[in-house]
Amino acid sequence: EVQLVQSGAEVKKPGATVKISCKVSGYTFTDYYMHWVQQAPGKGLEWMGLVDPEDGKTIYSEKFQGRVTITADTSTDTAYMELSSLKSEDTAVYYCARNYYDSSGLSTGAFDIWGQGTMVTVSS
Amino acid sequence: QSALTQPASVSGSPGQSITISCTGTSSDVGSYNLVSWYQQHPGKAPKLMIYEVNKRPSGVSNRFSGSKSGNTASLTISGLQAEDEADYYCCSNAGSSRVFGGGTKLTVL
Repeated sequence: EVQLVQSGAEVKKPGATVKISCKVSGYTFTDYYMHWVQQAPGKGLEWMGLVDPEDGKTIYSEKFQGRVTITADTSTDTAYMELSSLKSEDTAVYYCARNYYDSSGLSTGAFDIWGQGTMVTVSS
Repeated sequence: QSALTQPASVSGSPGQSITISCTGTSSDVGSYNLVSWYQQHPGKAPKLMIYEVNKRPSGVSNRFSGSKSGNTASLTISGLQAEDEADYYCCSNAGSSRVFGGGTKLTVL
């Protein structure tokens, strides 16, 4: 069974950094891009960026560029999302989500498997 | 990159059909047949319902269908059921990145 299991809830002070993990199982980690998505309380989904676990290349949303770092550790089949200079507006659930490829191996642009989400609370 | 535009809410009675629109620009929805739709129940992770505008992943009911015209994509749910009540989000490629819609709350009356 394909699974993405994320780390637990975090409470951070403004200005701090948080690092969330997403451990995968049931498939070859390096074969699929991994994305990260933010969802503030009562709000919509916001794409943050992606990593190609095969070579570590990343693409980030302009909104988070400079504050977010997404990495992949192929020795543990785990993706990470680090967000720095935290503000109260960063209080949200963060999801990792696997890129969906069609039967020909082409990216569909969609996300087929999601982690359970990690709540990050930023408060002084 | 601005969020795609969705109606905040739609509603329908059991058995009816509803359509949710998702309007973008020529830089995202209009340029790619890479629009996907997600269903999200409260407290749960999103679930992929439609990809590449009108394709359903295995296991998704054929009551869900998608389409696109110009810069606007649409999700149609036919034969509404109580369990369809949820938030729905569209998403499109925008170059190498992705952009989501603001979300639509579907109420089944």
